[in-house]
Amino acid sequence: AQKITQTQPGMFVQEKEAVTLDCTYDTSDQSYGLFWYKQPSSGEMIFLIYQGSYDEQNATEGRYSLNFQKARKSANLVISASQLGDSAMYFCAMRGPYSSASKIIFGSGTRLSIRP
Amino acid sequence: EAGVAQSPRYKIIEKRQSVAFWCNPISGHATLYWYQQILGQGPKLLIQFQNNGVVDDSQLPKDRFSAERLKGVDSTLKIQPAKLEDSAVYLCASSLLVGVVSGANVLTFGAGSRLTVL
Repeated sequence: AQKITQTQPGMFVQEKEAVTLDCTYDTSDQSYGLFWYKQPSSGEMIFLIYQGSYDEQNATEGRYSLNFQKARKSANLVISASQLGDSAMYFCAMRGPYSSASKIIFGSGTRLSIRP
Repeated sequence: EAGVAQSPRYKIIEKRQSVAFWCNPISGHATLYWYQQILGQGPKLLIQFQNNGVVDDSQLPKDRFSAERLKGVDSTLKIQPAKLEDSAVYLCASSLLVGVVSGANVLTFGAGSRLTVL
């Protein structure tokens, strides 16, 4: 069965510093996708970044990058030069291989707080 | 393009009452998902539709929850009778293609419907 683990319930980071949010996953599938979503206090889920299991390069989207270590089954999110607006809940998610039963499961989340 | 629409945004009911939530996905998105997010937790998948067929409802409490997606477009999630532990945000999401592992197949979420059961 697939499983996503986020071991950091909360983190405090100084503004402009870089921050790494941890995510480990468990799956027996060879083909899968990993996602990060941001959920501000307003409640909407905002897609940040995606990494496919066959992608050789780590994904990057602006200040976000995904540190993908396939052998260790980790997909950490790195936010460079953090900003006050980055304060939010962050969820790691995984999608299984192509099949009619493919679904996306989420981790328990990390609450990130940026200090000015 | 218009996003995923959900209503109502907020609902307060007493236990044993019923409630229904509505979701209209992004036009052309084949797959629709309902997630339950209890305060402080990650979203939990309740049911997944592809067009108007159910792909996965393994975590849907079928004795009290039901969902339908007639005509393969909008969807309704119903709870009857509600329990205190059903207090949560119900998130609807949609994606373009079912099962395709691709960056293009990202879930787009609605704003959610917050349910409080007293």
